[in-house]
Amino acid sequence: QLQLQESGPGLVKPSETLSLTCTVSGGSISNSSYYWGWIRQPPGKGLEWIGSIFYTGSTYYNPSLRSRVTISVDTSKNHFSLKLSSVTAADTAVYYCARRSGIRQPLDYWGQGTLVTVSS
Amino acid sequence: QSALTQEASVSGTVGQKVTLSCTGNSNNIGTYAVGWYQQISHGAPKTVMFGNSLPSGIPDRFSGSKSGTTASLTISGLQPEDEADYYCSTWDYSLSAWVFGGGTKLTVL
Repeated sequence: QLQLQESGPGLVKPSETLSLTCTVSGGSISNSSYYWGWIRQPPGKGLEWIGSIFYTGSTYYNPSLRSRVTISVDTSKNHFSLKLSSVTAADTAVYYCARRSGIRQPLDYWGQGTLVTVSS
Repeated sequence: QSALTQEASVSGTVGQKVTLSCTGNSNNIGTYAVGWYQQISHGAPKTVMFGNSLPSGIPDRFSGSKSGTTASLTISGLQPEDEADYYCSTWDYSLSAWVFGGGTKLTVL
């Protein structure tokens, strides 16, 4: 059974860089059928797509976040990572990693999510 | 404001059939497959429908359809455990982004 697990600091200071990793188990991140990505949900609000990556390193970012987002993949560790720079309180959210079975296909598997709070 | 429009809330009784809708335009729902995600008590979302496919482990009382620029999720035989927030999502090629609806809170009376 495929599992995705987010990890990283739960507290980040304003203006610093948020860094999270999603470790994939029960399947290979190098499978050419799948894309991997990040979605976030501010407290009490809806879902927002951050970006996606293919195992080759090709990335697709939400235009509203593109200037601050970097997503990378490490196939040897079967994980992918998110960096969001210059964070503010508005970036406080639960961050989810997820998989989709094609570049334009809906998500099929989700991680459990991790809360990141931006505060000094 | 979300690119996709969902009802804020829907309610139904146990055993009833309910339909949740997700309205977009030709740049998104009219062209691409739609996913539906269930979120119970602010836990992690779970995929209950992607395109016209039912994920493994999801009861067959869930079904999805699309007509033009509106997608629908139907739950036939509503159960107490179906009470949750439901979000729809698809690709929008004019925005070059995956977009979500604002979510529908489904209450089982």
